[in-house]
Amino acid sequence: EDQVTQSPEALRLQEGESSSLNCSYTVSGLRGLFWYRQDPGKGPEFLFTLYSAGEEKEKERLKATLTKKESFLHITAPKPEDSATYLCAVQSGNQFYFGTGTSLTVIP
Amino acid sequence: ETGVTQTPRHLVMGMTNKKSLKCEQHLGHNAMYWYKQSAKKPLELMFVYNFKEQTENNSVPSRFSPECPNSSHLFLHLHTLQPEDSALYLCASSQPGLAGFSRELFFGEGSRLTVL
Repeated sequence: EDQVTQSPEALRLQEGESSSLNCSYTVSGLRGLFWYRQDPGKGPEFLFTLYSAGEEKEKERLKATLTKKESFLHITAPKPEDSATYLCAVQSGNQFYFGTGTSLTVIP
Repeated sequence: ETGVTQTPRHLVMGMTNKKSLKCEQHLGHNAMYWYKQSAKKPLELMFVYNFKEQTENNSVPSRFSPECPNSSHLFLHLHTLQPEDSALYLCASSQPGLAGFSRELFFGEGSRLTVL
């Protein structure tokens, strides 16, 4: 069964304290892995697409990496404005499978 | 205009009401989607339209009725809903890629629906 699992469910960091979010997946025929940021009461905002193991993408304090079984979203020296829920999705065939997200809180 | 616009942002309706959610995309995409987001659950795909044709209906109850008059507009017609239908309804669009691959989804801000 195609599945996406994100961990941890919630994460609290002090400002400047780097950490990583995990997205593990079991899908057949991965076509792409996507990271989104979602603020409360808003729609998900696209961050990155990764297509193959070993690929990395960076944007400001965020860096996404991909292996054959999981992806990590590394957050370097986070700021309070990075607080949000981060969603991972994988595409298998024409289907997108979403995880339940990691709720990140960055404390000043 | 922002990429994907949804109206209304908030909707409260009784179980016997009929209402509609509207989505408009200004990205030139050819695929549009309706997703349901409930607390602590993954996004749940409801419907997919490619080039105005419905290509996915994910076993959604008939009290939800989609309409896609053109590649830029998508509606979700609601009638005789249940309280458990209360959720955030998200519209998304994407540009189909090569060999049937879909590219990343771009979401609207969502319509928060409360069914009393």
